[in-house]
Formats: sequence, structure tokens, C-alpha cells
Amino acid sequence: AQSVAQPEDQVNVAEGNPLTVKCTYSVSGNPYLFWYVQYPNRGLQFLLKYITGDNLVKGSYGFEAEFNKSQTSFHLKKPSALVSDSALYFCAVRDTGGFKTIFGAGTRLFVKA
Amino acid sequence: NAGVTQTPKFRVLKTGQSMTLLCAQDMNHEYMYWYRQDPGMGLRLIHYSVGEGTTAKGEVPDGYNVSRLKKQNFLLGLESAAPSQTSVYFCASSSRDSTQYFGPGTRLTVL
Repeated sequence: AQSVAQPEDQVNVAEGNPLTVKCTYSVSGNPYLFWYVQYPNRGLQFLLKYITGDNLVKGSYGFEAEFNKSQTSFHLKKPSALVSDSALYFCAVRDTGGFKTIFGAGTRLFVKA
Repeated sequence: NAGVTQTPKFRVLKTGQSMTLLCAQDMNHEYMYWYRQDPGMGLRLIHYSVGEGTTAKGEVPDGYNVSRLKKQNFLLGLESAAPSQTSVYFCASSSRDSTQYFGPGTRLTVL
């Protein structure tokens, strides 16, 4: 069965510093991997995805994520954090050929000015 | 292009009452989903649909029913609401490439 783990409930960074939000996954076959962001009282918004190809995926708002097959990880990164990046971030996985996407529990990112 | 819309935005029910949540999408997506979001538990899939007239169970289907009579609409029903169904409900839709587009959510409280 597929699963996703986000080991950190919360990540705190100072504005201008690099940020990393961690995600590991378990899935049979080749994974489709996603990051979504949720701002207060809003639905989730798509940030980026990995399906195949280059292990470094670039997405919206300057975010990127690196797919590491040997470590079954898909960590979200940004070189320089902004206060406006403060939000709840979800990692998600879907196996190829399946219809269901499994979401992690979410990591709350706080960026301090 | 409204994307995914949900009605109502808020609702308070008494235990045992019934209600229907409506989701509509204007992106001609084949797949539609209903999730519930609870603190510390992420999103859990309730039911999903891979096309008009088809539905399937997700992780937490008990106490809910769904219907997809039209491609653009996906209805979630609660036949007899329970306090454990207090949650925020999100609808989403996607095409075959599986990026999901979410509605703004419905906040449901069951007293």
C-alpha cells in the first residue's frame, strides 16, 4: 500500500534563509509525487510534481523538489524564504496506474521576518 | 473559468440530520474526489469518481454516499450526521495527468 510521511509537524526559518520541507514515500511501482500548499481558510494549491525525467523539479513561487529514488524521498526546497511562504505544505503520492492520491499529514512552515 | 466550486461554505447540523454537499468543476476533468481534512491527519479520501456515472470508495467512506450523474458535478451526502463527521470537506478534480485542483472547502459542524 502506498504511504507518505512528513516527519516534521513544523519548520521555522528566517526570511532570506534556505528552507527544506521533508517528505518520504512508499509505493509499489514508479511514483507520481506532488507538493501542494494550503493558505489559511483556502483549498490546496498545486506547487509541483514529479512523474519522470530530471530528478530536480521546479515549480511555482520559486520552489523546487528533488526526487531521490534510493532514499524514497521528495524534499521541497527554496533557496531564499519569504514571509509570504508561511503556510501548510502537503506531500502526496500516487502509484502509476492508480487513481488514488495519498497525502501526508502536512508540515506547517513559519518564516520569520 | 471558476475552476472547482463547493456549496455551501459553512453548515451546522444536529446529530441525525442529513445534507448534501455539491461540487462543480468547469475544466472538463474526468476524475473527481471528496476529501476530509482534520487537524494532524492531512487529507483523507472519502470517495472518488473516474467518470460520469461511476464512483468508488476511498479510505474513509463509512457514513457517506456520493453520486456523479453529470461529468461536472460530484455530490457528497451524509444520511445521518454524527459529531465524528465534523470536519472541513474538500472536493478536487483532475485530468489523467493527476494534478488535482481543489475547491475552497466546506466547514461542517455536527452538534
